[in-house]
Amino acid sequence: NAGVTQTPKFRILKIGQSMTLQCTQDMNHNYMYWYRQDPGMGLKLIYYSVGAGITDKGEVPNGYNVSRSTTEDFPLRLELAAPSQTSVYFCASSPRRRGGGPDTQYFGPGTRLTVL
Amino acid sequence: QKEVEQNSGPLSVPEGAIASLNCTYSDRVSQSFFWYRQYSGKSPELIMSIYSNGDKEDGRFTAQLNKASQYVSLLIRDSQPSDSATYLCAVMGGTSYGKLTFGQGTILTVHP
Repeated sequence: NAGVTQTPKFRILKIGQSMTLQCTQDMNHNYMYWYRQDPGMGLKLIYYSVGAGITDKGEVPNGYNVSRSTTEDFPLRLELAAPSQTSVYFCASSPRRRGGGPDTQYFGPGTRLTVL
Repeated sequence: QKEVEQNSGPLSVPEGAIASLNCTYSDRVSQSFFWYRQYSGKSPELIMSIYSNGDKEDGRFTAQLNKASQYVSLLIRDSQPSDSATYLCAVMGGTSYGKLTFGQGTILTVHP
């Protein structure tokens, strides 16, 4: 299994441009998440999904959109990029626990985004 | 008050010593607790998960949970230079959606 993969690894955007960060997992996990990590900080949840077709906002959703049309893919869309969106973006997935609810989260390698 | 707060670092210990990392959380209904290790420029990787009060040991790592005090800790015995990293405490609330709330991280340096 490749686990959680993310593309691209690095990207530089100009203010006002848009882009999509790709995330794919091959572990058949129900739950998927997008986080951002600013320098010297912990991770903040942007959006999450509990299954195909179901998404919800996290702590810092403004300026982002997501979709989940398949179990495997959970792309993150940035519209009208701003310097405040300069960060490292991590995608994660987790399986369902036996008693219900998500289990441990596994992280992708991250995308380093700079907005100039 | 921050939802998940870790002891401020950076923490520096000599090789072979015990490193102690602490974390407090504010949500009393939190049910799952995790410690992740993150090397510079890399993604977080899970070290330990703990769900019930008490100690859980895995090799050189021991996680301790006290729900009454809303406190979780990680002990690293016989610390090695390869343990030098940022350690992130993460707490999952009492919902079925699995949203993790992370602390700000503690930088650990193990010097030879």
